[in-house]
Amino acid sequence: DVQLVESGGGLVQSGGSLRLSCAASGFTVSSNYMSWVRQAPGKGLEWVSVIYYGDDTSYADSVKGRFTISRDKSKNMVFLQMNSLRPEDTAVYYCAGEGSGTFYMWGQGTLVTV
Amino acid sequence: DIVMTQTPLSSPVTLGQPASISCRSSQSLVHSDGNTYLSWLQQRPGQPPRLLIYKVSNRLSGVPDRFSGSGAGTDFTLKISRVEAEDVGVYYCMQGTQSPHGYSFGQGTKLEIK
Repeated sequence: DVQLVESGGGLVQSGGSLRLSCAASGFTVSSNYMSWVRQAPGKGLEWVSVIYYGDDTSYADSVKGRFTISRDKSKNMVFLQMNSLRPEDTAVYYCAGEGSGTFYMWGQGTLVTV
Repeated sequence: DIVMTQTPLSSPVTLGQPASISCRSSQSLVHSDGNTYLSWLQQRPGQPPRLLIYKVSNRLSGVPDRFSGSGAGTDFTLKISRVEAEDVGVYYCMQGTQSPHGYSFGQGTKLEIK
C-alpha cells in the first residue's frame, strides 16, 4: 500500500526550530518530486517546498532562507528543517508526492504550532 | 507567481442536484510541453486533501464519474453531476505548470448541503 506518514510536529517558541519527517512506503521518494504543503488553521493550502531530481530544491518566498528540504534515499524519507519559526508558520504540514504536475499522494499531516 | 481564483467560495447544494466550481488563473496554464497542469482536489472535513482530477479533465482511478473537469488556458470548471452527501468538503484547484519552481492553489470552495 502506498503511504506517506509525517512526524515531528509540535509546539515551539517563536524563533525556534523544528524538523519534520515524512516516511514513504510503497514507492521511492528519490524517483518522485516530493513537496511540503501547509494549511494554517481554517485556511487554504499553501505550497512550501519541493525536492526534485538531482536533489535540487525550490521554496516559497515566505520560507526561503529559513526552511530546508532534504531526503534520505536509504531511509526513503523526506525532511523539512524549519528555523527561525514565526507565528504565521503555524499550520498542518503535509508531505505530498507529485506526478503529472499535481500532488497525487498526501500524508495525514503534522501540526506545527509557533 | 500565478494566482488562482475560485468562484464561488461557498456553494450550498441540494442532494442529487448538480454543482459547479470555477477556477481562473492569472496567466495561461499551458506548459511548453503542450500539457495544461490544472488539477482539482477535495478535502473532506478533518482529512488531508485528495486528488480528484489532473491535467484539466483526467479523473484519478477510483474517483466517481459524477466528477468532471473542463476548461483551457486560464478558465477551468469542476462539475459534480449529482451531489451526494459524501461530497461535502472544500474543493481546491491547483496549478503545477510552474513545477518545480512554484505551485499555487485557489482559495477553496466549500461545498455544503442545503
